[in-house]
Amino acid sequence: DAKTTQPPSMDCAEGRAANLPCNHSTISGNEYVYWYRQIHSQGPQYIIHGLKNNETNEMASLIITEDRKSSTLILPHATLRDTAVYYCIVRVEGNKLVFGAGTILRVKS
Amino acid sequence: SAVISQKPSRDICQRGTSLTIQCQVDSQVTMMFWYRQQPGQSLTLIATANQGSEATYESGFVIDKFPISRPNLTFSTLTVSNMSPEDSSIYLCSVQGSHYEQYFGPGTRLTVT
Repeated sequence: DAKTTQPPSMDCAEGRAANLPCNHSTISGNEYVYWYRQIHSQGPQYIIHGLKNNETNEMASLIITEDRKSSTLILPHATLRDTAVYYCIVRVEGNKLVFGAGTILRVKS
Repeated sequence: SAVISQKPSRDICQRGTSLTIQCQVDSQVTMMFWYRQQPGQSLTLIATANQGSEATYESGFVIDKFPISRPNLTFSTLTVSNMSPEDSSIYLCSVQGSHYEQYFGPGTRLTVT
C-alpha cells in the first residue's frame, strides 16, 4: 500500500493561500490521491481527488507533480473555518481509506 | 454527495452493556464503511458492509464484538457489544461515491463508564 507523509502542523494567515504538502513516493500508476479534512468533533469531509492532472473544485485545488511522488492541496483564500486536520490518502485495493495522522492546519487572524 | 445521519449522536453507557448505532443514507449505496476514532487519534476502519453479504472486518476487529447489519441499500447498524471503557470513541459510518470518494456521517460519540 502506498503510504503518505505529511507535516504534523502548519499555520496560515486568514485570507492567504494555504498550501498543504503530501509525499507519496511509493504510489502506483493507477492509484488516486484523495484529500479529506476533519473539523473538530465532526465527521471527515471529502475535498478533492486526482490521478495525475491538476484538479480544481469549489473547495480547493490539487497539484500533483509529474512523477506523482508528491502533491499539494491549495486552499486559495483560507478562512478561520478552514482550521482542521487535513488528510492525504492514497486509495488502496478494496476501496479502503487508511488514515494517517494528517496535518493540523491552523488559520490565524 | 450523499447525506448521512447517525443515531444516537452521543451516549454514555455502562460497561458490560451493548449499544447499537444506526446509519441512514439519503440514497442507495452499495458500499458502506464503519470507522472508529479513539480520543486524540486518527480514524481506523472497523469493517466494510455491502448489502446482501457478510461484513468484512479489518484486523483487530471481530464480528462478536462489532456485529454489523446491512438490511438494505440505505441503512446499516453497528453494535458495540459487552462494552468496556476502552471502547470509548467516536464511531463513524461512511458511504462510497461514484469516484470512490467517501462521505461520512457526523459520528456517534460513545463514552463507557
